[in-house]
Amino acid sequence: GNSVTQMEGPVTLSEEAFLTINCTYTATGYPSLFWYVQYPGEGLQLLLKATKADDKGSNKGFEATYRKETTSFHLEKGSVQVSDSAVYFCALTIGSGSARQLTFGSGTQLTVLP
Amino acid sequence: EAQVTQNPRYLITVTGKKLTVTCSQNMNHEYMSWYRQDPGLGLRQIYYSMNVEVTDKGDVPEGYKVSRKEKRNFPLILESPSPNQTSLYFCASSSQGRAGELFFGEGSRLTVL
Repeated sequence: GNSVTQMEGPVTLSEEAFLTINCTYTATGYPSLFWYVQYPGEGLQLLLKATKADDKGSNKGFEATYRKETTSFHLEKGSVQVSDSAVYFCALTIGSGSARQLTFGSGTQLTVLP
Repeated sequence: EAQVTQNPRYLITVTGKKLTVTCSQNMNHEYMSWYRQDPGLGLRQIYYSMNVEVTDKGDVPEGYKVSRKEKRNFPLILESPSPNQTSLYFCASSSQGRAGELFFGEGSRLTVL
């Protein structure tokens, strides 16, 4: 079956530090990969996506590259801000019309201190 | 404004008292889904619907029912709630052609005593 494994949290960083949140996956077929973000008290929002190998998704200063050889999709940001404090979820789906939609990782809590 | 609206946002109830959490989307999305979020477990899918009158079980369907009589609405029904259904529930929707790009509601926090 399909699965997503994220690095254990919580992660605490100082403002302007470099962020990496690791994500690896197991999938039958060729997945599309996603990062979602959940700010306190809110629902999840799509942050970025990549649909094929070597694609780089980017948004709001965050980036992630689809690495088929290492089955990874690590999230990075060069300089985090306090407003980036949130829970980050890695997810995958198989096919353009997958009936089950997304398989989520367990989430990584990020806290950025001023 | 494109949105997914859930009600109620917060609810405290007692074991066995039937309840319904409503979900409505205004984006004409074909696909809708319910998830529950529990600490350390991430999001787990309860039920999903590919379109009107088409529903199917997700990973944790026990104790829940759904219906999809209209495209915009996808209510989650707990016929006889139990304490292990205390959780944060999210409804989500997407266009059929954009699998994985979900729009989420703000969540409904349910406590069953």
